Order: sequence, then C-alpha cells, then structure tokens
Amino acid sequence: EVQLVQSGAEVKKPGESLKISCKGSGYSFTSYWIGWVRQMPGKGLEWMGIIYPGDSDTRYSPSFQGQVTISADKSISTAYLQWSSLKASDTAMYYCARHLGAALDYWGQGTLVTVSS
Amino acid sequence: EIVMTQSPATLSVSPGERATLSCRASQSVSSNLAWYQQKPGQAPRLLIYGASTRATGIPARFSGSGSGTEFTLTISSLQSEDFAVYYCQQYNNWQGTFGQGTKLEIK
Repeated sequence: EVQLVQSGAEVKKPGESLKISCKGSGYSFTSYWIGWVRQMPGKGLEWMGIIYPGDSDTRYSPSFQGQVTISADKSISTAYLQWSSLKASDTAMYYCARHLGAALDYWGQGTLVTVSS
Repeated sequence: EIVMTQSPATLSVSPGERATLSCRASQSVSSNLAWYQQKPGQAPRLLIYGASTRATGIPARFSGSGSGTEFTLTISSLQSEDFAVYYCQQYNNWQGTFGQGTKLEIK
C-alpha cells in the first residue's frame, strides 16, 4: 500500500527555521517525483514545487522560489520542505503528494504550520 | 505561469442531479489536467488524470473531458458524499498550477 506520512503540526515564531518531512512507503521512493502543496486557511491549493528523490532534481514554482527549500534523503525515503526564516504568512497546511505523470495520486495527511508571535 | 480558472465558484445542485464543473487554462496544457475532490479536514483526493481517466477506485459517475484549454468534470448523479470542493490542476514544463476551486453544495 502506497503511503506518505508527514511530520506533526508545528507552532513557530516569526524568524525561526523549520523543516517538515514526508516519508514514503509501499513503492519505489526514488522512481516518482514528490510534490509539495500549500493550503492557507480557508483558501485553495497552491503547487509549490517538486523533487525527484532518485537524483534530487528539484523544480520550484516561481511564487515559492527562494522562499522555501525542497530536499530529499533517498536512504530513508523521506522528502523535506524547509524554511530558513518563517513569516506569519507561512501559516498554512502543507501537503506532500506523489506525482503520477502530471497528477498527484497519493497524498500525505498534511502538516499544519502555525507562525505566530 | 499558466493560470487555471474554474467556474462557477459555487454550484448548488440537488442530490440525484447532474453537476458540470468547468476549468479553463490560460494556454494549452494538452491533456495534462487532473481533477481533485477535497472535503473539510481532509487531504485532496485524485479523481481524474490525463483529463479523462478515472483514478483507481473512483466511481463511474465521475467523468472528465476536454483538451487544450477547456476542461469539464461531470458528476452524473450526485450522491450525498459528493458535496465538496473540486480543484483542477495542470502540469506542464515542470510547473503545476491549481484552479481556485468550485464548491459543490446541496441545493
């Protein structure tokens, strides 16, 4: 069974750093792109970027380039999304999902990130 | 960046009736178009990929059509569990974008 399990909810202060994770199982983790999607409170879905864990090739949406870093450790089948300096506007639910061609077929349960002073 | 525009923003339909949701791309995305359903407190679920192929386990009442810039998701006979928010999403040249969503509500 394909599963993506994300790390738990986080509460951070502005300016702090954060790294959240997404662990894949039940399939060849290195053979599929993993994407990250943001959903701000009460809003729609935003495609942030993708990574190919096999060689760590990474692509970002122009809206998120320079704002976050996507990485992966294929030895432990885990992808990451990180911030070096959080802002209140980063408060959102973040989902990882597996890319099947152009679509996202399996999704993690989401990680809620709250940034507040 | 390719902009995806969904219409209408909200659609009110009675159970048992047909629902038709639209998605338009600002430039051609060929058939690189997917549809998702999201219920409150849940992660999105893939319904349709390649514009018209149902994902595993998706009931036959869900169908997708279109190519290029105009796409449609049709739910042939609405069940109570179908009332949710629906998103289209394109992926082209290493970039993806979602539409803003259509909320399907009970009339």
